[in-house]
Amino acid sequence: QSVLTQPPSASGTPGQRVTISCSGSNSNIGSNTVNWFQHLPGTAPKLLIYRNNQRPSGVPDRFSGSKSGTSASLAISGLQSEDEADYYCAAWDDSLNVYVFGTGTKVTVL
Amino acid sequence: EVQLVQSGGGLVQPGGSLRLSCAASGFSFSGYWMTWVRQSPGKGLEWVANIKEDGSEKYYVDSVKGRFTISRDNAKNSLYLQMNSLRGEDTAVYYCARATNGRYGRDDYWGQGTLVTVSS
Repeated sequence: QSVLTQPPSASGTPGQRVTISCSGSNSNIGSNTVNWFQHLPGTAPKLLIYRNNQRPSGVPDRFSGSKSGTSASLAISGLQSEDEADYYCAAWDDSLNVYVFGTGTKVTVL
Repeated sequence: EVQLVQSGGGLVQPGGSLRLSCAASGFSFSGYWMTWVRQSPGKGLEWVANIKEDGSEKYYVDSVKGRFTISRDNAKNSLYLQMNSLRGEDTAVYYCARATNGRYGRDDYWGQGTLVTVSS
């Protein structure tokens, strides 16, 4: 059971903005930076956001991240059909001494 | 070009052993923490273990402690996951990844994944 909680699903129509939350605690999100990954079935996960709000080269600026206290969020603006995937937050947990992924959110483009 | 090429998956009986390998190229392997992550059928991503650049620090998820061993050979630019006493719940696609921010992740390059099936 993950210590980072995400909503199981989110959806929107093309062009809309979708936000995914990631709720943790003082020992993980509250103490360390958050990474976000996009995962399409049958492929390797892709790093979308690192250090809470930084985008790796090649990731569109439609993807943005934020963190406040023990929670983090990923926003997808201008939703596109190719954004349909599973999204995971992740952070190191100082109490457990493990890296934890969130429960995952499936984004559907209606 | 950074590449991580995995090998070693397959079908194994419960209680058996398997060794996964991850061959790195295109970057200075000895300068990065490395990670193993898995995804069981119908479930989310689960971090399994990571290892420091020189192998001096290793961390594991509780469910594999004492059964799995992460290791690396910097001379061969390779990462390994030795899996012993395998159980049905270890059935998953396993991925290796490069962690650019040490044990804190920022896993920016991933292997292609290898399927491990534990079944009699």
